[in-house]
Amino acid sequence: NAGVTQTPKFRVLKTGQSMTLLCAQDMNHEYMYWYRQDPGMGLRLIHYSVGEGTTAKGEVPDGYNVSRLKKQNFLLGLESAAPSQTSVYFCASSYGNRGRGTGELFFGEGSRLTVL
Amino acid sequence: KQEVTQIPAALSVPEGENLVLNCSFTDSAIYNLQWFRQDPGKGLTSLLLIQSSQREQTSGRLNASLDKSSGRSTLYIAASQPGDSATYLCAVSLYGQNFVFGPGTRLSVLP
Repeated sequence: NAGVTQTPKFRVLKTGQSMTLLCAQDMNHEYMYWYRQDPGMGLRLIHYSVGEGTTAKGEVPDGYNVSRLKKQNFLLGLESAAPSQTSVYFCASSYGNRGRGTGELFFGEGSRLTVL
Repeated sequence: KQEVTQIPAALSVPEGENLVLNCSFTDSAIYNLQWFRQDPGKGLTSLLLIQSSQREQTSGRLNASLDKSSGRSTLYIAASQPGDSATYLCAVSLYGQNFVFGPGTRLSVLP
């Protein structure tokens, strides 16, 4: 079972370059999320989506954009990368019940990004 | 704002011991609570999900309990093994909101 798949797994960028991280899930989940994990900061929510065509800001959205054109895919974009965006990025998905809460979270393996 | 803490931050035990990891949250009006395991350089693996109406969940050697009124959850690991060494995180969600994660407990089980 594939579950949640992230590509690429590793990437090195120079300051000012742009890139897109792709997340794909095969569990027919409504909700999808992008987190970043940094030492001493824990997991922080960047953006999330409660359904195809919808996105919302999380705790640390600045410098990132997202799109959810298809239910199974959630893209995270960096338009002009900065060294502060060096991090490990995790995508997650879950069932959702709008107005109530989220179901069990399932995570991808992570994408390690270094910005020089 | 929901805040989640985990105690201890790190724990080292000999193989075979039973152990308890703690998770505390500030807002008791949670929708559910989830425990994860994270191995170095890997993603988070879901261990147990406890709905707000439940008091505990069990999976193999793992048992998680939930006391909403006191804002606490515990993860009990029976007969620990070196393969249990990892970081354990808890996360809680409120109704209509996203999960908030704790900082994790780093567990080392020594052979």
